[in-house]
Amino acid sequence: DTGVSQDPRHKITKRGQNVTFRCDPISEHNRLYWYRQTLGQGPEFLTYFQNEAQLEKSRLLSDRFSAERPKGSFSTLEIQRTEQGDSAMYLCASSLDKGSSGNTIYFGEGSWLTVV
Amino acid sequence: GDSVTQMEGPVTLSEEAFLTINCTYTATGYPSLFWYVQYPGEGLQLLLKATKADDKGSNKGFEATYRKETTSFHLEKGSVQVSDSAVYFCALSQSGGYNKLIFGAGTRLAVHP
Repeated sequence: DTGVSQDPRHKITKRGQNVTFRCDPISEHNRLYWYRQTLGQGPEFLTYFQNEAQLEKSRLLSDRFSAERPKGSFSTLEIQRTEQGDSAMYLCASSLDKGSSGNTIYFGEGSWLTVV
Repeated sequence: GDSVTQMEGPVTLSEEAFLTINCTYTATGYPSLFWYVQYPGEGLQLLLKATKADDKGSNKGFEATYRKETTSFHLEKGSVQVSDSAVYFCALSQSGGYNKLIFGAGTRLAVHP
């Protein structure tokens, strides 16, 4: 069990460019989440996958954002036409659905995005 | 909607001091409650959790009790160490759902020798 891994850890991009982040969850975890965290704030939910199905998207996830989990394993989060307001840390997390509340969610170390 | 409110930081303590970080929540039903910790340059780590009223979560000398009557989940530690310096996040997730977490804004703790 290597934990949730994210790549890249840091990305600096010019405004208007596209960026893509990858997340590899803990193996056999069927749930995968993306959160966004800005400085001095707690993480905010963006979207959630159950296996390959994207079941909920936050209103924070504008049309410029798209997330996929094509085979129910790794996931990608793409941001098109980046804006300075997109600068944040993007956190991926995963969990195993045991059919009960309080399942533990494990977070990756995050991908820092700076839009200049 | 559901929300979590934490005491503002930073909290600055001397080593071996007693720690309390207050957390209150607003939610319908019976959420599960969590404390996560974020050390400098690292991701979030689950510190402890409680899934029903009056449960006490504990780990690494930290503990928190789920108080439904006061909608609180305050974090405590009897004797802090310099290595406890981090940002602490209180969070909740609703029962019966897919465990989406709702976080507080975080409280930074700085422990000095």
